[in-house]
Amino acid sequence: NAGVTQTPKFQVLKTGQSMTLQCAQDMNHEYMSWYRQDPGMGLRLIHYSVGAGITDQGEVPNGYNVSRSTTEDFPLRLLSAAPSQTSVYFCASRKGRQGYEQYFGPGTRLTVT
Amino acid sequence: AQSVTQPDIHITVSEGASLELRCNYSYGATPYLFWYVQSPGQGLQLLLKYFSGDTLVQGIKGFEAEFKRSQSSFNLRKPSVHWSDAAEYFCAVGAPVESGGSNYKLTFGKGTLLTVNP
Repeated sequence: NAGVTQTPKFQVLKTGQSMTLQCAQDMNHEYMSWYRQDPGMGLRLIHYSVGAGITDQGEVPNGYNVSRSTTEDFPLRLLSAAPSQTSVYFCASRKGRQGYEQYFGPGTRLTVT
Repeated sequence: AQSVTQPDIHITVSEGASLELRCNYSYGATPYLFWYVQSPGQGLQLLLKYFSGDTLVQGIKGFEAEFKRSQSSFNLRKPSVHWSDAAEYFCAVGAPVESGGSNYKLTFGKGTLLTVNP
């Protein structure tokens, strides 16, 4: 049981490039989400999904796309990277909609130059 | 919308001293409350959570937190800090995305960095 895994651990992009951050969980959790963490800002919700085929926006969705074709995977796509997207990205999952512990992946540190 | 305030950005304590990290939340009803810890370069690990019932909750690593409805607070405490407790601590509130809805999300505070002196 690997929990929540994220790849890559580190990534450097040039402005305008696109890429996909991968996230997978093997706990059969319904709910998955993406956060970004910036110094002094805590964690801010980008997008979330309550099940396969269902996604919704969080606090800071602009510049990011998500899809949820399977229960296990929840990739985050940066369409055209900008320096403002330099951040650490965390994927998380939990069993249900309310009240369950949220498990976090180890994070992806992204730098956009 | 819910919000979380952690008034202390950085706290330094000596090893063996007691610790209290403050957390205040804003939400109209009783929320779900959580404390997470993040070691450098790591993801977040759940320390403890409050859903209902006993307002004093015990967590892992010897931590406890007390929910005080009248003060909208959920402060984290530990009686004797160890050097390995040095990390960043995040308080979070879980509440419905929309009023009356069944989808809920976590809103995090900005974190408190704990330094432990030997």
